[in-house]
Amino acid sequence: DAGITQSPRHKVTETGTPVTLRCHQTENHRYMYWYRQDPGHGLRLIHYSYGVKDTDKGEVSDGYSVSRSKTEDFLLTLESATSSQTSVYFCAISGTLSGGADTQYFGPGTRLTVL
Amino acid sequence: GQQVMQIPQYQHVQEGEDFTTYCNSSTTLSNIQWYKQRPGGHPVFLIQLVKSGEVKKQKRLTFQFGEAKKNSSLHITATQTTDVGTYFCAGRDNYGQNFVFGPGTRLSVLP
Repeated sequence: DAGITQSPRHKVTETGTPVTLRCHQTENHRYMYWYRQDPGHGLRLIHYSYGVKDTDKGEVSDGYSVSRSKTEDFLLTLESATSSQTSVYFCAISGTLSGGADTQYFGPGTRLTVL
Repeated sequence: GQQVMQIPQYQHVQEGEDFTTYCNSSTTLSNIQWYKQRPGGHPVFLIQLVKSGEVKKQKRLTFQFGEAKKNSSLHITATQTTDVGTYFCAGRDNYGQNFVFGPGTRLSVLP
């Protein structure tokens, strides 16, 4: 597996609290992605990054923000968590610093429960 | 926007039987990928198809990209218990930056 980790792996929080999930890679891949996975929906893209400080929205970005201050780290923040954000969150990486490559490598996932 | 659908949603087979899952896009795709996710695991890349009518094989798995580049299929011959999991297709059209995933087909294999 690619060198990609996510932290925390599990989190339970309460509605209205801020939550930050971290994705860390050791592969120097250019692109990083945050997905959420819910039954019946497959994987839906929340935000992605195509370089340091370069990010853009995916199809389900409302209520989420991201930051990428260095190549290896991509943070996903829920400013005020809601129960609808209970999900499994996957980080993925693809490409290299010098060019693009389509294969996505996924992290182990973070299971988030918002009570 | 682009939509990717998969059928069936679930499939239960007896070990040794064949299995096929189908992926359909609302738009013409530039390329399509297939991923496998074991229960409790993360998606793992299987293959990418880019050419119209392309067929690729990986051991017992056969992947096909439709002539119109709007559909694809994954066929597993003589399933084994190790094939259990959810199979996702992900397609990117000519206007998209990113891949859109289908909802997946969950395969159960009874020994």
